[in-house]
Amino acid sequence: DAMVIQNPRYQVTQFGKPVTLSCSQTLNHNVMYWYQQKSSQAPKLLFHYYDKDFNNEADTPDNFQSRRPNTSFCFLDIRSPGLGDAAMYLCATSGPGRKEEQYFGPGTRLTVT
Amino acid sequence: AQTVTQSQPEMSVQEAETVTLSCTYDTSESDYYLFWYKQPPSRQMILVIRQEAYKQQNATENRFSVNFQKAAKSFSLKISDSQLGDAAMYFCAYRSALNAGNMLTFGGGTRLMVKP
Repeated sequence: DAMVIQNPRYQVTQFGKPVTLSCSQTLNHNVMYWYQQKSSQAPKLLFHYYDKDFNNEADTPDNFQSRRPNTSFCFLDIRSPGLGDAAMYLCATSGPGRKEEQYFGPGTRLTVT
Repeated sequence: AQTVTQSQPEMSVQEAETVTLSCTYDTSESDYYLFWYKQPPSRQMILVIRQEAYKQQNATENRFSVNFQKAAKSFSLKISDSQLGDAAMYFCAYRSALNAGNMLTFGGGTRLMVKP
């Protein structure tokens, strides 16, 4: 089945230690998104790629970076995680059409110790 | 900028009964899409139902239906014959038809509990 895959599902990192979360998709979608979701809150968009074009949300901290080496893969890098960065990180994809929905991965739960 | 408001942080329904989740939004655009997403505990977010603003007919997907009132900017979700598996966070979301990136504006969510 075509899907959005996130690895790992659970990640523990230390305060200040860089961490990378990964997302892959078999849907061949050209748009990929990274969201941060804290407990019982709505997902907050961090950035998205439209093909190779990177689009950062205005309020996304510089501590968060992303890479998309090809259509299938997208990475979220947190350069110096703080305690406030502990959250669920969701990856999603979408096709280019007007009617396209977003397809979400299962998320990676990040714990910062 | 568009905003989406879900005024009910939590709702509860008895199994087999009907529940309606509320959503209002604010936009100056005439062409847009509205979505309801379901996020079960520790499981991924999935699309429940979608409404295109230019369609007057309310969308229906099995036990799920919407009441779309464009003039009132209201988009409520009705769940009929509620099942235990319907327990989840429900997010209402807006997307502009002009938005090349298909980006969503989410409401704050409603936690639905289903009582056996």
